[in-house]
Amino acid sequence: QSVLTQPPSVSGAPGQRVTISCTGSSSNIGAGYDVHWYQQLPGTAPKLLIYGNSNRPSGVPDRFSGSKSGTSASLAITGLQAEDEADYYCQSYDSSLYVFGTGTKVTVL
Amino acid sequence: QVTLKESGPVLVKPTETLTLTCTVSGFSLSNARMGVSWIRQPPGKALEWLAHIFSNDEKSYSTSLKSRLTISKDTSKSQVVLTMTNMDPVDTATYYCARAIFGVVKSNWFDPWGQGTLVTVSS
Repeated sequence: QSVLTQPPSVSGAPGQRVTISCTGSSSNIGAGYDVHWYQQLPGTAPKLLIYGNSNRPSGVPDRFSGSKSGTSASLAITGLQAEDEADYYCQSYDSSLYVFGTGTKVTVL
Repeated sequence: QVTLKESGPVLVKPTETLTLTCTVSGFSLSNARMGVSWIRQPPGKALEWLAHIFSNDEKSYSTSLKSRLTISKDTSKSQVVLTMTNMDPVDTATYYCARAIFGVVKSNWFDPWGQGTLVTVSS
């Protein structure tokens, strides 16, 4: 059972900005653990998108950005593109165990 | 180039034990700043973390599945093995292994992931 809550879906037109929230608690995000984000394109394995709350691995476009505050984190996609249609998951740490978010499907209208 | 590849049966019967192997390349399982986790994803559902093994052989398990899981590694073969006992149809999922990277304190993430292997539990 996921302890990090995400909206099931978000959508936007090409070029728009969308945000995905990841809500945790005082035992995970609120305890100071970093949040990381993964993108899962249809039929493929998840891929690291953001690590350490706001850092982009090499090759990830700068239209993806992450932030963290209190017991929550957010992923923003600016200048939404058709290829961004995918599932997105946040991940953190809780009581010495890894935890994932419930996942959010991004639809490009 | 770092890669991970899962292997194992595609079909298991209820009550059987599942054994999956993750073969890694491009990094050592003895690297203190890395580890390997197993993560699964039932069809159409979210990711679920299962187990992790550290370079010093320390292990951690999902609280809900701890009694059924065993993770081990063979550093010389660059392999990490996961066994799950008493399989049930609800365990049908794609099983991934992923390298965990330990950043600064309180910051661990997965990169890269294996391609995943779909395991179906059915009689």
